[in-house]
Amino acid sequence: QVQLVQSGSELKEPGASVKVSCKASGYTFTTYGMNWMRQAPGQGLEWMGWINTNTGKPIYAQGFTGRFVFSLDTSVSTAYLQISTLKAEDTAVYYCARHVLISEKRLIDYWGQGTLVTVSS
Amino acid sequence: IVMTQSPATLSVSPGEGATLSCRASQSVRSNLAWYQQIPGQAPRLLIYGASTRATGIPARFSGSGSGTDFTLTISSLQSEDFAVYYCQQYNNWPPGTFGQGTKVEIK
Repeated sequence: QVQLVQSGSELKEPGASVKVSCKASGYTFTTYGMNWMRQAPGQGLEWMGWINTNTGKPIYAQGFTGRFVFSLDTSVSTAYLQISTLKAEDTAVYYCARHVLISEKRLIDYWGQGTLVTVSS
Repeated sequence: IVMTQSPATLSVSPGEGATLSCRASQSVRSNLAWYQQIPGQAPRLLIYGASTRATGIPARFSGSGSGTDFTLTISSLQSEDFAVYYCQQYNNWPPGTFGQGTKVEIK
């Protein structure tokens, strides 16, 4: 069965960096794109972008350029989200989620369990 | 594309039905998905293609609509159905925009 297992909660000080991992199993990792979403406390879901797991090319949504980096290690079927120069407003749950191509459209079908990143001094 | 859901909160008694709405600022054809998020859990895909239930989703969940107006109907709510529901368009990508969510709470 498809599973996306994310790394555990993180507490970071402002200005630090964090790297969240998302390990996939139950399918061929490089066949499906991987997306990242952010959910701030009490808020809705915000799409951050996605990474082509076949080519490694990332696409970032507006507002997620510069400090946010998507990467891969295909040898261990894992995607990563790195956030640098953390700010208090980066406090959120971050989700990885796979998308499948249906009629040339990208549908998100499986999600990781989420990783809480708390930025506080 | 802006996705607008209504109402923000829906109070329903167990066993009753619920109707949730989602409107797109421009046509997304039938490329609309619904997700359920139980507090503390990851979202789960319920409906895609506006009306196709995902694997394992009970028949009490149904979706309809196309273009700009969509509806998620839950017949006879069970205790496990009280959650937040999000719609997302995937017709124009990137980005994959979500609605702000509808919370279905126990009346």
